[in-house]
Amino acid sequence: QVLLAESGGGVVQPGGSLRLSCAASGFSFTIYGIHWVRQAPGKGLEWVAFIRSDGGDKYYADSVKGRFSISRDNSKSSVYLQMNSLRADDTALYYCAKERDTVAVTYYFDYWGQGTLVTVSS
Amino acid sequence: NFMLTQPHSVSESPGKTVTISCTRSSGSIASNYVQWYQQRPGSAPTTVIYEGNQRPSGVPDRFSGSIDTSSNSASLFVSGLKTEDEADYYCQSYDGTTVVFGGGTKLTVL
Repeated sequence: QVLLAESGGGVVQPGGSLRLSCAASGFSFTIYGIHWVRQAPGKGLEWVAFIRSDGGDKYYADSVKGRFSISRDNSKSSVYLQMNSLRADDTALYYCAKERDTVAVTYYFDYWGQGTLVTVSS
Repeated sequence: NFMLTQPHSVSESPGKTVTISCTRSSGSIASNYVQWYQQRPGSAPTTVIYEGNQRPSGVPDRFSGSIDTSSNSASLFVSGLKTEDEADYYCQSYDGTTVVFGGGTKLTVL
């Protein structure tokens, strides 16, 4: 079955950096795009970033543009989110989610991981 | 960018039908598909409706969706309410390369 497993979360000071990983299995990873979506404690969902299957296209939410960078390693069936210049309002549970379509970007997340918690605090 | 506005909470009795609305602030609700996600406490979201009115396999037909261009909104209908339907529900759409979620609606089945 489709599995997405996030890791790399933790506590980091404001201004610091963190790299999240999303390990995928159970589907043809190389033909699907992957999204990151976050959820602050007690709050709603916020889309963060997307990377196309071949890594050629990357899109970001305005709130993270210039600070976060998404990448992937198809040989390891993994996607990464490099987060720099972290702020308190980046504190959230970060989910990776699989894009449903293999060609167009539909922004429909058909499978989600369980998330990894990032806490930005001094 | 546009916003999707949902009621903060709705409640209804078991066996009844509830409607959760999702109103788009600008641009047409019909211009891009709307998805609906269910999130139970402590769990990741799962899809109940995609592309406006499609159900993933395994989602009961008690869940349905529609859009109304006159009110520029999408709606999630849950009929034959069960206590297990109690959860947060989020609508979601996009425009270009921007993804927007509604603020979420807490459904209480009492």
